[in-house]
Amino acid sequence: QLQLQEPGPRLVKPSETLSLTCTVSGGSVSSGGYYWGWIRQSPEKGLEWIAYIYYLGSTYYNPSLKSRVTVSMDTSKNQFSLKVKSVTAADTAVYYCVRHLRGIDLWGQATLVTVSS
Amino acid sequence: EIVMTQSPATLSVSPGERATLSCRASQTVSIKLAWYQQKPGQAPRPLIYDASTRATDIPARFSASGSGTEFTLTISSLQSEDFAIYYCHQYNNWPYTFGQGSKLEIK
Repeated sequence: QLQLQEPGPRLVKPSETLSLTCTVSGGSVSSGGYYWGWIRQSPEKGLEWIAYIYYLGSTYYNPSLKSRVTVSMDTSKNQFSLKVKSVTAADTAVYYCVRHLRGIDLWGQATLVTVSS
Repeated sequence: EIVMTQSPATLSVSPGERATLSCRASQTVSIKLAWYQQKPGQAPRPLIYDASTRATDIPARFSASGSGTEFTLTISSLQSEDFAIYYCHQYNNWPYTFGQGSKLEIK
């Protein structure tokens, strides 16, 4: 069945750029009219939507993060990606890639991202 | 952004009993409301979408209702595996937002 595969834990230095890629297996990012997104979870902020993308190219960014975030998709590789620039300790969280249409019906297994020098 | 407020923060219930969790939106979200269950170290598990529709493979003891700003998740006859944190999530207005969670613990 369709799965979302995320990378292992990441350690990122303050002010650097965080890059994550989610690989979709068992299905296509181009089918079904789904949206593909990123959510993060931290004790301080709980669950927080970051952004999502549709395979035709439309993107939606959380205004609180919009200036630092970019989402993209590579349909040929069945992947979508997240970049967060100028990270700080506040970006330390568990990051999930997700599939969304009527609520989130599929979650990746999560990537722990730690921002520390 | 829409603020989702869940209550209670913690609910202590005995196995076999019924649990009712609430979620309130700061403005209407129509029926675009989902519920998720999360256990330690795991990703959230989809339970309900469109306010009252059970997700795939979710047992019938989970039911939900509501529209507009007031929503309820009910778990009848609690099983040991149901003790977890439950989150509501609105997807009517971007940015989509989550409640802070309700922890269901064993009494």
